[in-house]
Amino acid sequence: EPEVTQTPSHQVTQMGQEVILRCVPISNHLYFYWYRQILGQKVEFLVSFYNNEISEKSEIFDDQFSVERPDGSNFTLKIRSTKLEDSAMYFCASSRQGPPNTGELFFGEGSRLTVL
Amino acid sequence: KNEVEQSPQNLTAQEGEFITINCSYSVGISALHWLQQHPGGGIVSLFMLSSGKKKHGRLIATINIQEKHSSLHITASHPRDSAVYICAVTGNQFYFGTGTSLTVIP
Repeated sequence: EPEVTQTPSHQVTQMGQEVILRCVPISNHLYFYWYRQILGQKVEFLVSFYNNEISEKSEIFDDQFSVERPDGSNFTLKIRSTKLEDSAMYFCASSRQGPPNTGELFFGEGSRLTVL
Repeated sequence: KNEVEQSPQNLTAQEGEFITINCSYSVGISALHWLQQHPGGGIVSLFMLSSGKKKHGRLIATINIQEKHSSLHITASHPRDSAVYICAVTGNQFYFGTGTSLTVIP
């Protein structure tokens, strides 16, 4: 069964360092998403991406964050200068259809980011 | 403010019990998703609803668009159903509930 894969599963970084989280969405999906979940809190939407550009982003997704689809398979989330409060589990997801009529979401296993 | 409210926050049930988890939302939506988050953190989509009712195995999800309310039912609950169940709504953005932590005791 096709699945969304994320790497790394866990990354530890120093405050101020740049981090890139990688995702390989399901191959025939067109819409890609990043979410985060701070430990013990609810999942939060960060950004949706379609046709090589951001289609929606939340207030959390500030200038420190960027997304890219550098080739036909990878979808990346970059955090430019990490802060302690960026420590969270980051989930990538993909879907065939996108907002506002988003179809079924397929999630990766998540990348846990720890900022020291 | 919480655009999506779930109840209860925590639920413990005996194996075999019928379980209901509720979700209310305050924003306009095009679809509502029920998600299951395993103890290890992974998230799986259970249902996507825009109207009516869907059934998959022992799981049933309903939505009432007028009342902005959805329910997830689990019949004949089993310890392997123990997980966090999350309600999420989509329009142009996504809003997530805080989740309902379900523990089913053998």
